[in-house]
Amino acid sequence: RKEVEQDPGPFNVPEGATVAFNCTYSNSASQSFFWYRQDCRKEPKLLMSVYSSGNEDGRFTAQLNRASQYISLLIRDSKLSDSATYLCVGRYNNNDMRFGAGTRLTVKP
Amino acid sequence: EPEVTQTPSHQVTQMGQEVILRCVPISNHLYFYWYRQILGQKVEFLVSFYNNEISEKSEIFDDQFSVERPDGSNFTLKIRSTKLEDSAMYFCASRGEGANSPLHFGNGTRLTVT
Repeated sequence: RKEVEQDPGPFNVPEGATVAFNCTYSNSASQSFFWYRQDCRKEPKLLMSVYSSGNEDGRFTAQLNRASQYISLLIRDSKLSDSATYLCVGRYNNNDMRFGAGTRLTVKP
Repeated sequence: EPEVTQTPSHQVTQMGQEVILRCVPISNHLYFYWYRQILGQKVEFLVSFYNNEISEKSEIFDDQFSVERPDGSNFTLKIRSTKLEDSAMYFCASRGEGANSPLHFGNGTRLTVT
């Protein structure tokens, strides 16, 4: 089965908070992972790729744990503009890329 | 920055009619995709296309759907006889070579079947 599972939230956090999302995948053959951000009624936009060793881009940190089959996204010092739905994506085989259902984040003043 | 473009942005059609959704992927990309998203639901994989043929398709992509790359730039999704439940946002995406190359999405076509 090719499934990517996410906690749908919603996560409601105050500005400046640190928030983390996890995403589990059911197929150990998954080869690549990504985090996307989707604003209401817009297309998904790439936030960051997820590398095996973990990677950071400003306030965002992504981790991959192959042994436990999950990926994570950490957002530090959250801003109002971080409010969106965060989607994890797993690539299976060569050309099948599956989305999780998304985790909704609302950052409040 | 190069973009994936989709037309039209909104298509309204009657049940049973055929629709063609159009996409122009990024020019040097080789992998093309269609996804759909029913309002309030998850982004669902429909089909991927590489080297002028379908490489993967989901259980949603039944005989009512077809894809085509009629020339060097366009990538189309055809729904032969639309149903009410086909109403959704349809996203086209493309990516380049390499295991870690991400998907780049178009703005989507909102399909409304009445």
